[in-house]
Amino acid sequence: DTEVTQTPKHLVMGMTNKKSLKCEQHMGHRAMYWYKQKAKKPPELMFVYSYEKLSINESVPSRFSPECPNSSLLNLHLHALQPEDSALYLCASSFYGTVEGYTFGSGTRLTVV
Amino acid sequence: AQKITQTQPGMFVQEKEAVTLDCTYDTSDPSYGLFWYKQPSSGEMIFLIYQGSYDQQNATEGRYSLNFQKARKSANLVISASQLGDSAMYFCAMRESQETSGSRLTFGEGTQLTVNP
Repeated sequence: DTEVTQTPKHLVMGMTNKKSLKCEQHMGHRAMYWYKQKAKKPPELMFVYSYEKLSINESVPSRFSPECPNSSLLNLHLHALQPEDSALYLCASSFYGTVEGYTFGSGTRLTVV
Repeated sequence: AQKITQTQPGMFVQEKEAVTLDCTYDTSDPSYGLFWYKQPSSGEMIFLIYQGSYDQQNATEGRYSLNFQKARKSANLVISASQLGDSAMYFCAMRESQETSGSRLTFGEGTQLTVNP
């Protein structure tokens, strides 16, 4: 299995809703990432988990809450989002301690109304 | 300081011709990896090719090849025999070994490639 699977592919949510994005990989990668991408721009790093521990938070607002329940699964919990949070959210995973093997999921396109 | 520079916001190529997408990078880390990704309008980030800083030969994957010039710090992507399906945004990215907590990818701004019939 050489894939990173993200669900859902599309999500529309209101500003008072709570929703979660899910990411799963079975490649034995021990580093997992959330990126946010606005239209026509490169992805921007949000969070990094290394061995199921949060190692990097790029000053992301607390309305985004990541969770790594085990080595294969990464969640992003969303609450009280703003319309400007509408974007493509990409999950990725990689081996830890090397520069190889960086794989992205197909993304969740989020619209906040 | 910008670590990855893609100087071509947009490129056009005729179907079946070759095209080169430029990428220069800046790092003081002796160990790093360079990646090219294709992102169609559907959004998925498709891995194309990888070059490690210690690799002796330029990477190739089918119609994709990477022209790696270490001294010039450039890693240009060459697509041979362009197809209509190659129309997409292309990102160059770098990963440095000095990152100690899982390593982020640093992306360029991207090049929008359009293949004309």
